[in-house]
Amino acid sequence: ELKVEQNPLFLSMQEGKNYTIYCNYSTTSDRLYWYRQDPGKSLESLFVLLSNGAVKQEGRLMASLDTKARLSTLHITAAVHDLSATYFCAVDIQGAQKLVFGQGTRLTINP
Amino acid sequence: DVKVTQSSRYLVKRTGEKVFLECVQDMDHENMFWYRQDPGLGLRLIYFSYDVKMKEKGDIPEGYSVSREKKERFSLILESASTNQTSMYLCASSLNLAGAEQFFGPGTRLTVL
Repeated sequence: ELKVEQNPLFLSMQEGKNYTIYCNYSTTSDRLYWYRQDPGKSLESLFVLLSNGAVKQEGRLMASLDTKARLSTLHITAAVHDLSATYFCAVDIQGAQKLVFGQGTRLTINP
Repeated sequence: DVKVTQSSRYLVKRTGEKVFLECVQDMDHENMFWYRQDPGLGLRLIYFSYDVKMKEKGDIPEGYSVSREKKERFSLILESASTNQTSMYLCASSLNLAGAEQFFGPGTRLTVL
């Protein structure tokens, strides 16, 4: 059974600081997704990582995937308040058409 | 752009009522999914469908059923709502590819009294 664990689950940080959210998963998978969810809203796709070594960047967010370590990271550079949200990673089950989601990381960025 | 819509943003029902949650997507996606989201538990898959009239149980199907009579529409049914089904329900759709990206609707927050 595929398990996906995010770390940390809660993160409070100051504007201007850097930090990393980790997503570990338990079995072989080649695709990983990062989603953002604002309070009371649905999930919005951020990044699609399709192969080992994939790196995607948008603004102050950068995501990477290491399929050998079964690890993805979401790095935040010089955080700003607008990035406050809950971030989910999701991993596909090989051969299936389902995704397994992590618990989510609630990120709060304080002025 | 993919658009996934859900029939209600907020819903309040009483214990024992039959509840229908509707989801419609406009991108001709084969796959559709129903999740529930609870604090600290992430998203848990209730049911998904990979074709019209086809369905497969997810991780927590108990107390739920689904219907997919048309490709664009996927309904979640609570036959007899209970208070422990109070939750946020999210619908998603994707192409019929292994590990395809899923696109989410706005969610329905259901409260069962």
